[in-house]
Amino acid sequence: AQTVTQSQPEMSVQEAETVTLSCTYDTSESDYYLFWYKQPPSRQMILVIRQEAYKQQNATENRFSVNFQKAAKSFSLKISDSQLGDAAMYFCASGAFGNEKLTFGTGTRLTIIP
Amino acid sequence: GAGVSQSPSNKVTEKGKDVELRCDPISGHTALYWYRQSLGQGLEFLIYFQGNSAPDKSGLPSDRFSAERTGGSVSTLTIQRTQQEDSAVYLCASSRRRGSYNEQFFGPGTRLTVL
Repeated sequence: AQTVTQSQPEMSVQEAETVTLSCTYDTSESDYYLFWYKQPPSRQMILVIRQEAYKQQNATENRFSVNFQKAAKSFSLKISDSQLGDAAMYFCASGAFGNEKLTFGTGTRLTIIP
Repeated sequence: GAGVSQSPSNKVTEKGKDVELRCDPISGHTALYWYRQSLGQGLEFLIYFQGNSAPDKSGLPSDRFSAERTGGSVSTLTIQRTQQEDSAVYLCASSRRRGSYNEQFFGPGTRLTVL
């Protein structure tokens, strides 16, 4: 079984600043993946970044990076140089290798202040 | 190419009525998933189809919920005798194949409101 916890219902950041969204998880799987999805008002879930648990190196995608602490079961998302288009709900999710369904956290609503 | 599409975009129904929600996955994607997103909650897994294999129905909340996938492509999620607690956004996703890592591509969802 997997659980994902996002303890920050809402966050805000000034445009061009950096913000970190927190996520902790629990899993009994030895081989798993972690994801951050973005959901703008259009409702379309968009994959922002993913991390394979067996990789020690933190994943990065342009302005988005993660801080993956496997022992602490922590998976935070850092957004650098925040832009107005980053405003959305952000969901942390986990999935196990060979078990296709994803387990999601309850989300963090990110507001960008111009 | 086209992404995952869902219809209708919004559905308002009366308590006790049956509803059908449709999902068209990305062409060539063999895996299809249904999730439910209730207000203030994350996404909750409902059901998963992979090719011709028996679906994983472990997330369906009650026997009022069912889903089918015809010809390995289009899927329909049916909710019978709808209740007010069924009000939510129903999201569909598809991915290329089973095993390893395969990104799930999501549709825009159907917002169901049960009065």
